[in-house]
This record gives sequence, C-alpha cells and structure tokens, in this order.
Amino acid sequence: GDSVTQMEGPVTLSEEAFLTINCTYTATGYPSLFWYVQYPGEGLQLLLKATKADDKGSNKGFEATYRKETTSFHLEKGSVQVSDSAVYFCALSDQGDMRFGAGTRLTVKP
Amino acid sequence: NAGVTQTPKFQVLKTGQSMTLQCAQDMNHEYMSWYRQDPGMGLRLIHYSVGAGITDQGEVPNGYNVSRSTTEDFPLRLLSAAPSQTSVYFCASSYEPGISGNTIYFGEGSWLTVV
Repeated sequence: GDSVTQMEGPVTLSEEAFLTINCTYTATGYPSLFWYVQYPGEGLQLLLKATKADDKGSNKGFEATYRKETTSFHLEKGSVQVSDSAVYFCALSDQGDMRFGAGTRLTVKP
Repeated sequence: NAGVTQTPKFQVLKTGQSMTLQCAQDMNHEYMSWYRQDPGMGLRLIHYSVGAGITDQGEVPNGYNVSRSTTEDFPLRLLSAAPSQTSVYFCASSYEPGISGNTIYFGEGSWLTVV
C-alpha cells in the first residue's frame, strides 16, 4: 500500500542554518503530497502541498518540490528561526485517505 | 472560524471504562477521520467516513467504534479502554482527500491516558 518515509529526528540546528528534511513515498497512483507542521500542544497545520510532478509548494520560507523520478518531496528552508521549532510530517493522499510519515522533530537554538 | 472542534482535550480513564471523543466540523466537509498519534509512529488512521451514514475502518480500528449520523459530527467511542489506547487522538475533515490535493484540517487533539 501507499506509504511515506521521512528522515528520523530529532534535528537540532542553530538559528539561520539551512534545513533539509527528507521525505520519500511509495504509491501506486499519482498522489498529492503535503507537509504538515505541529507546534507543541496543537494539532497539525498544513504547511505546503504539491499536486503533480515538478510542482513546488512553498509557504513561510519553506519549500518542497514533487520529484516523481526519485519519489521524493524534501522540505527545505534557507534560514531557520527559533519559531520554526516543531514536528514536521510528510504526507500523501491518493484515492482516499491520507498517509503520514512518522514525523521529524526540529529544534532551532538561538 | 471554528473549523474542527474536538472534546475533551484531556481525559484519564480506568481500564475497562468506555468513553466518547466528540468531533464536529462546520466546513460542510464530506470526509471525516480519526487518527491516533504515538511517539515515533506518526499518525495512524483509526476510522473514516466519506459522508453521513457511511463509515469504514482504517489501519488500527480495533477497540474503537464510530458513527456518522450527520455531516457535522463524527464521534469516536472507546468500548472498553485499555492502556494500549493511551495516545493523542486527532479528528480531521476535508473534501475528498484524493482529489486535487484537498487539504485535511485537524482538530487540536485529545490527550487520553488509560490507567
């Protein structure tokens, strides 16, 4: 079945460092891909999404490109801030329900 | 903008007790679902519904029951609570997820501890 694999955390960075969180997927069809973010004590919020190959989703300085050839949707940000500390989930939806990765906890230190 | 509202936010249960987690959405979404979140396992789908009167099982349905009598409400029932059901539960809703990248909206979560 469909599944998502994302890099294990936790990830700790200094403020203004470059961020990459890897995400790869397995799907039989042509899924839509998502990154969700979860701040402490809150539910998940959509960060960005891409619905077809070569689409780039972007929001709040984060971006990810839907790469069909490598079945990947890596999350990147050029300069992280302390306020970006959260858990990030990669997800896909295809023909029905959504599948999530295990989540990657990011901590950004001043 | 209420979005997805779930209650209670925190609950402690004794083994064998039953309870219902409530979920309501005001966005007229056909699709609603319940997930549980456990450390290192991401979100796992418990049950979902594609419309009023229709429910189906997800990845981890055992020990849980759902019903969908209205478009707005999708309660999750724990029939006889077990310590393995200690988790954070999220309700979510959307238009059909498989079409055009429809976004899933989440409630704020319910922290359940079974002792």
